[in-house]
Amino acid sequence: ETGVTQTPRHLVMGMTNKKSLKCEQHLGHNAMYWYKQSAKKPLELMFVYNFKEQTENNSVPSRFSPECPNSSHLFLHLHTLQPEDSALYLCASSQDSAGLSYEQYFGPGTRLTVT
Amino acid sequence: GENVEQHPSTLSVQEGDSAVIKCTYSDSASNYFPWYKQELGKRPQLIIDIRSNVGEKKDQRIAVTLNKTAKHFSLHITETQPEDSAVYFCAASSGRNQFYFGTGTSLTVIP
Repeated sequence: ETGVTQTPRHLVMGMTNKKSLKCEQHLGHNAMYWYKQSAKKPLELMFVYNFKEQTENNSVPSRFSPECPNSSHLFLHLHTLQPEDSALYLCASSQDSAGLSYEQYFGPGTRLTVT
Repeated sequence: GENVEQHPSTLSVQEGDSAVIKCTYSDSASNYFPWYKQELGKRPQLIIDIRSNVGEKKDQRIAVTLNKTAKHFSLHITETQPEDSAVYFCAASSGRNQFYFGTGTSLTVIP
């Protein structure tokens, strides 16, 4: 797929495991986002990177650790997760400029199950 | 911070009828309001958006209206078709890389 890709698409991990989610965008955007999507809840913005710099961290527990090595790649490192962290994790990118927001392009998501 | 509320949470309409989904927001600084459609097992995709300097925008069977004074915006789908069945999310943004989403509306179009 072109646009925004995510790997893996499905992940099952124990509470003591360490894993990483990967996101890559091929759209030349300057902003990348991590969202958590749980049933019956709104999309929850977790982290935002703009030009590789983290601009937002919405009170996310430290067991989630983001990394943005360049404007095209975004990682979410996971360790000692809890069962309530099971959800769909969506990556998105957008071209933000001059303080204006633009359309976000979402990846297909990683379905995470914590056992 | 911003608070976006979306209603209804579920909506069923007969094919050919219209569907309306409403959202309210709290932050008067919000100036960008996108609507996303998420089909089962797929990623959210933008279907229409509106900025605060515009009151209405149309794209074929889809329209969005914005009332800045009342802080609410609505999605209108006319002549609904079965393929319109999906979850629809509204969002509000003030342009600082912050997006606040509604809880979603599950739309079912009955053939």
